[in-house]
Amino acid sequence: GIQVEQSPPDLILQEGANSTLRCNFSDSVNNLQWFHQNPWGQLINLFYIPSGTKQNGRLSATTVATERYSLLYISSSQTTDSGVYFCAVGRPGNNNDMRFGAGTRLTVKP
Amino acid sequence: DAGVTQSPTHLIKTRGQHVTLRCSPISGHKSVSWYQQVLGQGPQFIFQYYEKEERGRGNFPDRFSARQFPNYSSELNVNALLLGDSALYLCASSFAKNTEAFFGQGTRLTVV
Repeated sequence: GIQVEQSPPDLILQEGANSTLRCNFSDSVNNLQWFHQNPWGQLINLFYIPSGTKQNGRLSATTVATERYSLLYISSSQTTDSGVYFCAVGRPGNNNDMRFGAGTRLTVKP
Repeated sequence: DAGVTQSPTHLIKTRGQHVTLRCSPISGHKSVSWYQQVLGQGPQFIFQYYEKEERGRGNFPDRFSARQFPNYSSELNVNALLLGDSALYLCASSFAKNTEAFFGQGTRLTVV
């Protein structure tokens, strides 16, 4: 099955710093999403981005499908950005499942 | 608009017991998927249902089963619970297969 690797596994930043999270995947996909998991376990949708670039406030994402990677940019980080960021991919096939990476745990210090 | 709702939010069961988890998708969404997330890992796919039919199954034992009702809500059933079934169970709702998925708040199951 498709492999999803996220890097770095852990990231510690000072408030106000910028960061880039990476997601590599091993096969072509037709679905890619970025999520933020809050301390209570809820997965919050950040971007649905199987290709191209999107921006939402301080966050932006780029997926280069032909090179099998996606990047999530966080600018001017805030303490409320802390949590685990997941990339999940899907591809057509018998299973219709989304495959998640192991996540990047972000800690933003005041 | 109501998002994806799951019930219950927390549950404690004893080994060997059976559990039923429930999920109501976003209005208009016809696909429901179930995921298991153990501590420190990403969610793992269990089932997908679309238009009330099973469309996908992950690598989970037959103790896990699910169904989708005419109103598109869904149940996940787990029989003969093991300690290793302790996890956060997440339900995802989407309009169709392979479209943007939205997750509920999850059910945290503890097996003792």
